[in-house]
Amino acid sequence: DVKVTQSSRYLVKRTGEKVFLECVQDMDHENMFWYRQDPGLGLRLIYFSYDVKMKEKGDIPEGYSVSREKKERFSLILESASTNQTSMYLCASSSPRVAKNIQYFGAGTRLSVL
Amino acid sequence: GEDVEQSLFLSVREGDSSVINCTYTDSSSTYLYWYKQEPGAGLQLLTYIFSNMDMKQDQRLTVLLNKKDKHLSLRIADTQTGDSAIYFCAESRDDKIIFGKGTRLHILP
Repeated sequence: DVKVTQSSRYLVKRTGEKVFLECVQDMDHENMFWYRQDPGLGLRLIYFSYDVKMKEKGDIPEGYSVSREKKERFSLILESASTNQTSMYLCASSSPRVAKNIQYFGAGTRLSVL
Repeated sequence: GEDVEQSLFLSVREGDSSVINCTYTDSSSTYLYWYKQEPGAGLQLLTYIFSNMDMKQDQRLTVLLNKKDKHLSLRIADTQTGDSAIYFCAESRDDKIIFGKGTRLHILP
């Protein structure tokens, strides 16, 4: 079974803090994704990565950055957290070697910025 | 438009069939998916259908695809309380997946 692990289920941070959300997958997937999920807005893609050290902006990259130093790990960074970044953050991975292009999700990190 | 559209809410009596509908946008999408999200959890792949298929059945789940109308539906037979969740319709686009906003399925006793 594919396993995507997000380091924290719940996180509370203060405005202005630098926040790191970590995601690790164990299936040697090339592609990794970060989404945020908000009520009524569904999933919105923040950043994605096709390979180590590669990153691509998604639909809402402002206020975020990412790091992919190792294939299995994809980190989402909030340089200076703001209250409008309070949300559920979901990490996913997939592989182009798997024809169905299925994305596998972690359990999510619920971030509250006070 | 570029969005995957689905209704936000569906209420069904336990034991009845649930039908969740979705319209997608890209006629070249190779795969279409249904994901399920239970409270407080991530998304879990429920089923998928290849774009050259019309129907796929898997136990209580039936997926119907009308490619001409770009319409996808998910039917859950004999709906149970454990089916209470948010269901996301999604389409493949290059190496990404485009998700709808999700349909919250509420089960009435």
